[in-house]
Order: sequence, then structure tokens, then C-alpha cells
Amino acid sequence: AQTVTQSQPEMSVQEAETVTLSCTYDTSENNYYLFWYKQPPSRQMILVIRQEAYKQQNATENRFSVNFQKAAKSFSLKISDSQLGDTAMYFCAYDNYGQNFVFGPGTRLSVLP
Amino acid sequence: ETGVTQTPRHLVMGMTNKKSLKCEQHLGHNAMYWYKQSAKKPLELMFVYNFKEQTENNSVPSRFSPECPNSSHLFLHLHTLQPEDSALYLCASSSGTSGREGETQYFGPGTRLLVL
Repeated sequence: AQTVTQSQPEMSVQEAETVTLSCTYDTSENNYYLFWYKQPPSRQMILVIRQEAYKQQNATENRFSVNFQKAAKSFSLKISDSQLGDTAMYFCAYDNYGQNFVFGPGTRLSVLP
Repeated sequence: ETGVTQTPRHLVMGMTNKKSLKCEQHLGHNAMYWYKQSAKKPLELMFVYNFKEQTENNSVPSRFSPECPNSSHLFLHLHTLQPEDSALYLCASSSGTSGREGETQYFGPGTRLLVL
């Protein structure tokens, strides 16, 4: 079974600094999708960024970018110029073409003023 | 506002009660999902519906009964729950047009359930 691991239960970063959240996953599949979702204190979970495994280019979305290392099965999220509104739980997720959708345990990120 | 709404937002029920959670999506999607988010466990996928047909049931106890009358509405009927069922229940939807593979899911705000 596929698993997703986020080894950092909690992290903090100073406003305007850069932080990287780690995610590793276990799969024997070659094609799949990876996601980072953000869940602010309001509890409404929203998509941050999405990566297709067959694409070598790392996905980027404004201040958010990923470092996708397929061989290492690693999918880290980098947040640049951190803002107070980035404070949230961040979930890494794996989607095997609709067969399995698995979330990691989450990393609680606090952005400090 | 993500276009997915859930009611009620908070629910307290006894173990002998019967209640229902409601989810509605206004995005024109065809796939809908129920998730359970407990305090100490990863987000757990419970049920998946695609075009009103249940396509996944991840070994969920029968005290949870989903219903999908149409592509816009999803219910989770609850009966004889246990205290360990207390959690945040999240609904999500996706377009469902590609068999839901790799689709972005849009989440509702969740229902915070407490079972006494």
C-alpha cells in the first residue's frame, strides 16, 4: 500500500523568510500525482500545488515551489517570502491515477511576525 | 469560498442518536468524497462517488452510511456511533471527467462531530 510520510510535525519560520516542508512517499508505480494542500485555522482545505510524476520540471505557483525527486520519492514544498497567512497545516498527498488517494499526517507551520 | 458547503458545521450527538451530514458542491463536479480527519491520524478517505455511483468504500464501519442522490449532493448518515468517531468530517469534490485520476479536489469547511 502506498504511504506518505511527513517527518516534521511542526515548523516555524520568520515572516519574509523561506521554509521547506518535507514529504516522502512509498510506491511501486511509475505514474502518479502529488499534491500539497493547505488547511488554515479556518479548516477549509485548499490546494497549494500539484505535480505530475511524469514531468521532470518542478511545479511552481507564485511563492510556492516543489522539489520533486522521483528516484528518491521525495516531494518537498518550499515557501518563499513567508507571510502570516501561510500559517496552516500542510498536507502532502499522493494520487495513483484514481486508485489510491493518500494523505500524509501533516506539518503544522507557524509564521512568526 | 471554494464552492463546497457542509452542514452542520458542528454536531454533538449521543451514541444512540441518528444524524446526517450534508455536503453540497456548486462547481459542476461529478466526483464527491468523504474524509475523516482525527486529531492524531492522517486524513482518511472514507467513500468516493463518481457520477452518483459509489466507487470506493475504504473499510468503513456500517454505522456510517453514505448517500449520493445526485452529483451535487452527498450525505453521510450516522447511527450508533462511538466516541472514537469524534472527528472532523470533510467533504470534497472533483471534476470526475478523467475518472478522477490526478484531479484537484476542492474541500468543504468540514463538520466537527463530537460523539458523547
